[in-house]
Amino acid sequence: DIVMTQAPDSLAVSLGERATINCKSSQSVFRSSYNKNYLAWYMQKPGQPPRLLVYWASTRESGVPERFNGSGSGTDFTLTISSLQAEDVAVYYCQQHFATPQTFGQGTKVEIK
Amino acid sequence: QVQLVQSGPEVRKPGASVKISCETSGYNFNNFAIHWVRQAPGPRLEWMGWINVGTGKTEFAQKFQDRVTITRDTSATTVYMEVSRLTSEDATTYYCARSRSMFGVVIGYWGQGTPVAVSA
Repeated sequence: DIVMTQAPDSLAVSLGERATINCKSSQSVFRSSYNKNYLAWYMQKPGQPPRLLVYWASTRESGVPERFNGSGSGTDFTLTISSLQAEDVAVYYCQQHFATPQTFGQGTKVEIK
Repeated sequence: QVQLVQSGPEVRKPGASVKISCETSGYNFNNFAIHWVRQAPGPRLEWMGWINVGTGKTEFAQKFQDRVTITRDTSATTVYMEVSRLTSEDATTYYCARSRSMFGVVIGYWGQGTPVAVSA
């Protein structure tokens, strides 16, 4: 199975400041035939199901605020929240869908400092 | 709009089975795969398996291969997941989820979750 490792496990950021979450996969999730990285980012608030933020590593899902940006390729990826808002407090997960089973990172808890 | 509505909370004894339903609406049922994901301790998310709703073909993570069954009822636009031989480690919330695009693999829509308790 592809192992997804996120860093840090938790993060406290002041309102309006940048939050950066890193994700590393144990093998490349880039499929050259489609020129895509099979990497998604989700956020999950307590008591709610996850919500898709970014797919193909850098494509923002419809309705997701522009402050959420995904980047990276191969095995190293980043989710950046450019200006943290109170409603962004959540646990964030990266996930690979390059191979079955799809696997998630352990999650990064983002809080307000 | 796309909706996935799961059945309610369940309580089972160790060794028993549980079957959770995921009733879908708002889209062409046959064109989108349905995944099952559970919340693992941590709280991690754990992908369990999926079903090609059009063909009925299923695929599972190896750890669930012999204990989990996913089926669908096309007339009811509902997908079911059954977990057998329950242990305390299976006590968590289970989600059904739909691929965001036709024939795609990215999970885009989620049910509300079904909590399962396992207690003697």
